Amino acid sequence: AQSVTQPDIHITVSEGASLELRCNYSYGATPYLFWYVQSPGQGLQLLLKYFSGDTLVQGIKGFEAEFKRSQSSFNLRKPSVHWSDAAEYFCAVPRSGAGSYQLTFGKGTKLSVIP
Amino acid sequence: GAVVSQHPSRVICKSGTSVKIECRSLDFQATTMFWYRQFPKKSLMLMATSNEGSKATYEQGVEKDKFLINHASLTLSTLTVTSAHPEDSSFYICSARDLGLAVYEQYFGPGTRLTVT
Repeated sequence: AQSVTQPDIHITVSEGASLELRCNYSYGATPYLFWYVQSPGQGLQLLLKYFSGDTLVQGIKGFEAEFKRSQSSFNLRKPSVHWSDAAEYFCAVPRSGAGSYQLTFGKGTKLSVIP
Repeated sequence: GAVVSQHPSRVICKSGTSVKIECRSLDFQATTMFWYRQFPKKSLMLMATSNEGSKATYEQGVEKDKFLINHASLTLSTLTVTSAHPEDSSFYICSARDLGLAVYEQYFGPGTRLTVT
């Protein structure tokens, strides 16, 4: 079955510092990869996605992610974090044999931002 | 962009009663909607996949008679928690897949906080 691992449960960074959130996946073919963000008490918002093509993907809110097949990774980055980026971040991949287009989510990484 | 709404955003009900949560795609047609449950500080757990005009597909361990899902139109799916108990208290999130979008892409509602007293 396809799976996704987010090794970091909680990350704290200072405002203005750079950020990298890790995501490793297990997938049989060329993967579709997603990053979602969830603010407290809210639903999920799509930050960016990778389907094919350029391995460096630009998303909303200044985020980007790079697909590295050799490392089975799709890490999320932001050069300068803002206090409003504090949230929970989820990486996702399609489920194995998902005829109904279901996604499997990682356990999430909580980002705290120090002013 | 595609918008998914949920109603209500918060609900408190007494043990033994039923509560219905609505999920609507506001500006697109959704043949498939998904219902998730999220425990505090946990990831999303897929409960069921709902296809318009057909029966929902439930994940293993999810009681279909307790969590009734109806997807009667291309813009509305409902989740009814029947005979609710305190352990059903949770954050319920729906998502919808746009017919016109790339496969696997889902848009999420803002969630419904259910508290059973």
